[in-house]
Parts: sequence; structure tokens; C-alpha cells
Amino acid sequence: RKEVEQDPGPFNVPEGATVAFNCTYSNSASQSFFWYRQDCRKEPKLLMSVYSSGNEDGRFTAQLNRASQYISLLIRDSKLSDSATYLCVVNGEGSQGNLIFGKGTKLSVKP
Amino acid sequence: DTGVSQDPRHKITKRGQNVTFRCDPISEHNRLYWYRQTLGQGPEFLTYFQNEAQLEKSRLLSDRFSAERPKGSFSTLEIQRTEQGDSAMYLCASSLPGWGRVAEAFFGQGTRLTVV
Repeated sequence: RKEVEQDPGPFNVPEGATVAFNCTYSNSASQSFFWYRQDCRKEPKLLMSVYSSGNEDGRFTAQLNRASQYISLLIRDSKLSDSATYLCVVNGEGSQGNLIFGKGTKLSVKP
Repeated sequence: DTGVSQDPRHKITKRGQNVTFRCDPISEHNRLYWYRQTLGQGPEFLTYFQNEAQLEKSRLLSDRFSAERPKGSFSTLEIQRTEQGDSAMYLCASSLPGWGRVAEAFFGQGTRLTVV
């Protein structure tokens, strides 16, 4: 099983749609979880951290399910500017410092 | 600009040459990471420092790759005897200490390496 797995997509959605991404991770001892956003040929940028109780930032909601070892990202009222690749990140096995990235899920929001 | 800075932004080199990249982290960040990313893939972990100590190296990192952070500030990544398969974007990131968890990492704009 890969350390961090994501559906690569692409997810093609109309403006205003709600879209959800899931990510599974293999290390049950992981403590730190993040969603990053990456635009084409740019560096990854932190979108939000994911906390055990779940957290929301505007149109974005992140959830963590430790029992099933997955995290999710929900985007409501999609904007054209949300088009990007969304990377799931988990701290890796054997070290707190090693951040493991998934391959990313590509989102394309159409007018 | 107080973000993570990487230099150069682009590097084209001939196969077999050595290359060195530099990363200047955000000033108060004591953790520094190096990643490699190829098209269509997520960033692949290479190595990580806490202050000047290199705490972890990926098993995928061949002995042609070496990284240093001599004074716990900037870091260099050297690739010796480059191969075409080394062509990628090399990303540096830095973070604060995590206080029981791993803190959010912030990335530089990367160095794009092309080996011809």
C-alpha cells in the first residue's frame, strides 16, 4: 500500500458545484495532516492543516478519520480560480519530520 | 521578500556534470526539506534537516546526491555526475518546530533542472 494515495482525477466540475476529494494514508501513527494546492508549474502552497475535530476555512472543509486512515477536502461553491492540483500530505513513517505527499488530485472548474 | 528563496531558478547541464542548488529558508524556521518533483507526480521527499543536523534521507536518494546545511541557515543540494533521469523540479521547504506535531512547510519556487 502506498503511503499516501489520492484519486488523480481529473475532476471536471461547473462553477458553483461542490466537490470532495479523499486521501488515504498507511501510517496509523501519523499525527500531522495537510492539504496543499499546486498550480501548474508553481510550487505547492499550504491550503489548510487538518485537525482531528475537522476544520473549515471559508468554502473549504477538511475532515480526518483516524479509524479509517483517510482525510477529505470539501470545496463548496467552486470558483474558476479553484482549478489546481490538490495534494494530500501526511507525516511519514519513522520520523516526525518527513512529510509525504500524495500524487495530487487535479480539479478543473468550468464556467 | 521573507519567503523561501531558491537559486538558481533554472539550470541546464550536460550529462555527467555536477550541479549545486541553494536554498535560503524563512529566517526563523529551523526545519528545512528538499523534495524532487516530476511532471504529474507529487513532490518526492529527498532529505530533511533540523538546524544543521540532517535527520533523514530517502532510501531513493542515490549516493550522487548530497545535501548540507552547515550553519543551520541556508542549505545546498549537490548532484554529482548528473543523469537524464535527474531532470526534475527541485523544491526546498522550511518550517517551524512542530511542538509535538510536524508544522506546516512553506515552499520556495523551486529549481528546474534539465539534463541534456
